[in-house]
This record gives sequence, C-alpha cells and structure tokens, in this order.
Amino acid sequence: EVQLVQSGAEVKKPGESLKISCKGSGYSFANHWIAWVRQKPGKGLEWMGIFHPGDSDARYSPSFQGLVTLSADKSISTAYLQWNSLEASDTAMYFCARQAVTGTLLAYYMDVWGKGTTVTVSS
Amino acid sequence: DFQMTQSPSTLSASVGDRVTITCRASQSIKSWVAWYQQKPGKAPTLLIYKASTLDSGVPSRFSGSGSGTEFTLTISSLQPDDSATYYCQRYNSYLVTFGGGTKVEIK
Repeated sequence: EVQLVQSGAEVKKPGESLKISCKGSGYSFANHWIAWVRQKPGKGLEWMGIFHPGDSDARYSPSFQGLVTLSADKSISTAYLQWNSLEASDTAMYFCARQAVTGTLLAYYMDVWGKGTTVTVSS
Repeated sequence: DFQMTQSPSTLSASVGDRVTITCRASQSIKSWVAWYQQKPGKAPTLLIYKASTLDSGVPSRFSGSGSGTEFTLTISSLQPDDSATYYCQRYNSYLVTFGGGTKVEIK
C-alpha cells in the first residue's frame, strides 16, 4: 500500500525552530516529488512547494520562499518541512502529498496524501 | 498573478440533486485541472485530473469538464457522503494554484 505517514502534532513558542517529517512507503520514494500544503484553521489549501528526493531539487511558492526549508533523506524515504523561527501565523495543519507524475520538472497534481501534522505556535 | 476563482463558496442541496461547481482560471490552462474532496479533519483526496479523468475508485456520479479558462465539477446525484469541501487545482506549471474551495452541505 502506498502511504505517507506524517509526524505528530507540535506545540511551539514563537521564535522556536521546528522540523516535521513525512515518511513514504510502498513506492519508489526517490522518483516522486513531495509537495507540502498548508491549511490554516477554517481556511483553504495553500501550496507551499515541492521537493524531489532523488536529486534534492526544491521549488517554493513565492509566499513561502525564505520562510521554510524543504528537504528529504531518500535513504530513509522521509521528507521534511523546516522552520528556523516560528511565528504565531504559522499555526496550521501541514500536509505532505506525493506528486502523481514522475519524470517532470513541473508541479503536478497529488495522488497520495499524509494525514497532516498540526502545528500550534503560541506564547 | 495567476488565479483560480471557484464558485460558489458554499452550496446546500438535497440528496439526489445534481450539483455543479465552477472554477475559472485567470488565463488559459488547457486541461491542466485537478479536483479534490476534503472532509472535516481529513486530508484531501484526489477526485479528477486532467479536467475530466476520474481517479481510481472515485464513484461515477462525479464528473469533470472544461478546458481553457472554465472548468466544472459535477455530482450527478448528491449522496450524504458527498458532504465536504471541494477544491480545484491548476497544475503542469512551475507552481500549483488552488481555488478557494466550495463547501457542499446536505439539506
């Protein structure tokens, strides 16, 4: 079964750093881009960017460029989303998702999603 | 900036009704549109890609159409399990853009 398993909920203070994870299984992890999507409470989906575990290429939405870092360790089939300094406005659910199509440099639709990681930032 | 404008933002319909959701792109995107369903507290699930291709396992009451700048998601006979928020998505580009979402409620 193809699945993405995300790390558990986090509660952090403003200014703290955080790295959440997304472990893939049941498919060739290195071949598919991993997308990250933010959803603030009661709001819609926001595409943050994609990371290719095979060649470490990253693409960021302009809204998130410089604010987060995407990475992956293909040896353990795990992708990461990282913040150096959290703000209260980062409070949200974060989903990782597998981009369906391989062999493309473009952003595509996502066919497998993790259950999400809730991040709460509060003093 | 490229935009995907989804309408309506909310709709209420009865079981058995035909429901249509529209997504308009700010410029032509051929057929590079996907649709997702999201239930409260859950991750989105892929329904349709390339504007009209149903993903595996998606009930046939769901259909998608359109090309260029106007796209529709239709539920031919609304079921109680279809209560959810639906999102369109533009892809096959450097960036991905989601529509704002349509919440479908059952009367």
